[in-house]
Amino acid sequence: DIVMTQSPTSMSISVGDRVTMNCRASQNVGSNVDWYQQKTGQSPKLLIYKGSNRDTGVPDRFTGSGSGTDFTFTITNMQAEDLAVYYCMQSNSFTFGSGTKLEVK
Amino acid sequence: EVLLQQSGAELVRPGSSVKISCKASGYTFTDYFIHWVKQRPEQGLVWMGRINPANDNIVYAEKFRSKATLTADKSSNTAYMQLSSLTSEDTATYFCITHWFTYWGQGTLVTVSS
Repeated sequence: DIVMTQSPTSMSISVGDRVTMNCRASQNVGSNVDWYQQKTGQSPKLLIYKGSNRDTGVPDRFTGSGSGTDFTFTITNMQAEDLAVYYCMQSNSFTFGSGTKLEVK
Repeated sequence: EVLLQQSGAELVRPGSSVKISCKASGYTFTDYFIHWVKQRPEQGLVWMGRINPANDNIVYAEKFRSKATLTADKSSNTAYMQLSSLTSEDTATYFCITHWFTYWGQGTLVTVSS
């Protein structure tokens, strides 16, 4: 199985911050990594697919990059409504990272 | 508008089975796979498997091969997942998903308790 190692586990942030989180795949997955946002009590929401493509309607403060085994997800100018848990997922065989929880500092 | 409407919360006994439904609307049911994902309380997401409603081809994650049974009914545009021999480890919210993980159901909470 492909293991997705996501870091950090949590982050304390302030509105306006730049937030960066990472996922490392245990083997080459090409560009096949998606990023999801899950707010408390809600279903996950697709933000980024195939490494760097924003889904329809996703604000441009959310960006993804990377290929091969190393992937990065960035939120520029963090907003209060962005407080959530973020997950990466490799879409070759569908394994998720363990999540990064964004909390207010 | 694509919608996946899942069945309601279930409280079931250990050792029993439960069948969850996922009714699709707003698109041609046979055009996209239905995936299922498990989320235990305060835990992460785990992919369980997927079904192709067009031909009933199914792929299971290895750890769910003997736990879950996926089916799809084209006549009612509904996908189902049956979970068997339930234990406390199966207490979780289960999501159905389509369109390459773009659209998610609201989740079905299954609680296994005596």
